[in-house]
Amino acid sequence: LAKTTQPISMDSYEGQEVNITCSHNNIATNDYITWYQQFPSQGPRFIIQGYKTKVTNEVASLFIPADRKSSTLSLPRVSLSDTAVYYCLVSYTGTASKLTFGTGTRLQVML
Amino acid sequence: IAGITQAPTSQILAAGRRMTLRCTQDMRHNAMYWYRQDLGLGLRLIHYSNTAGTTGKGEVPDGYSVSRANTDDFPLTLASAVPSQTSVYFCASSDWSGRSYNEQFFGPGTRLTVL
Repeated sequence: LAKTTQPISMDSYEGQEVNITCSHNNIATNDYITWYQQFPSQGPRFIIQGYKTKVTNEVASLFIPADRKSSTLSLPRVSLSDTAVYYCLVSYTGTASKLTFGTGTRLQVML
Repeated sequence: IAGITQAPTSQILAAGRRMTLRCTQDMRHNAMYWYRQDLGLGLRLIHYSNTAGTTGKGEVPDGYSVSRANTDDFPLTLASAVPSQTSVYFCASSDWSGRSYNEQFFGPGTRLTVL
């Protein structure tokens, strides 16, 4: 079972851009990468999904380099309410048995 | 019901007892999942179901069983609970295209303590 690796924690200040990287080995060409946000005592919530190059939505961007061995979630101008744990999920094509969440990155946003 | 619900919210259970965690979704998603979340280990997949009538094993299936009799419900059963099954359990659902797994919607979780 291929593993994903993320930094355990990151600190930032309000208004800054935050980039969280996830490493994922053995990822195949058509496998998707999805990021989730989780607040204490809640279930994870979808942020963004992609499988190559760059994807952007109203809250974040996802950068995936050509070799696809890693991906970077970019949060522009974070606020205190972005303090949460962020998870990277690699969806291996065709079988849910290999859905693998990373260990999560705890982001602390400060004033 | 709006979205995905889980019951109970929390439970304290004696070791050796049988317990069923309930999960219901009203989004007509074909795929459903059970995860457990332990401190420092992130979320680990226990069992999943791509469509009603089918189930599959995830990363940590031992000691757990599931059934998927219809689209909406996906109960998780611990036949004989052990203390190592103390965890927070999340149910999730999503569309499954047959090729890839789309955005998962998570329930609020069930906090289970086995003594």
